[in-house]
Amino acid sequence: KQEVTQIPAALSVPEGENLVLNCSFTDSAIYNLQWFRQDPGKGLTSLLLIQSSQREQTSGRLNASLDKSSGRSTLYIAASQPGDSATYLCAVDNQGAQKLVFGQGTRLTINP
Amino acid sequence: NAGVTQTPKFQVLKTGQSMTLQCAQDMNHNSMYWYRQDPGMGLRLIYYSASEGTTDKGEVPNGYNVSRLNKREFSLRLESAAPSQTSVYFCASGRNTFSYEQYFGPGTRLTVT
Repeated sequence: KQEVTQIPAALSVPEGENLVLNCSFTDSAIYNLQWFRQDPGKGLTSLLLIQSSQREQTSGRLNASLDKSSGRSTLYIAASQPGDSATYLCAVDNQGAQKLVFGQGTRLTINP
Repeated sequence: NAGVTQTPKFQVLKTGQSMTLQCAQDMNHNSMYWYRQDPGMGLRLIYYSASEGTTDKGEVPNGYNVSRLNKREFSLRLESAAPSQTSVYFCASGRNTFSYEQYFGPGTRLTVT
């Protein structure tokens, strides 16, 4: 059974820092991995999706990498801003049916 | 373009009552999903529908039923609510071809007393 883990559960950094969020998964036979952002009391917003054949994806200040063999993905946020404060979740699809398995999320706080 | 909409936003039920959570998407997506989110548990898939007319169980289907009414709408029904079903429920949709991103609704906060 696929298990997804995100460490740390919470992270607090000063504004302007570059930071990395981690996601690990136990079954490397995945179709894709998706990173989401969730603001308090809101739904999820898709940030980046990496197909299994890809190594990384970039969108603005965000860069997500994927290493299937080691069962790891990282989300790199450059020049962090207070507006980046949110919970970040990663999710994997290892059945090709988009039946996502989610990690528990990392709650990120950017301090002005 | 409203994306994925869910009703109601909040609901309080007594144990044993029934209710239906509604979800609709206007993006012409084939696939639709119901998840629940509990503190410390992340999101877990309840049911999904790969296309109109088909539904299948996810990780935690017990106590729920679903209906894919048409391509736009996917409802989740609790026949006899239990306190263990207190959660935030999210509906999502996706194309399941070319781009596999899922798009989420704002959620329904359900409390069962």
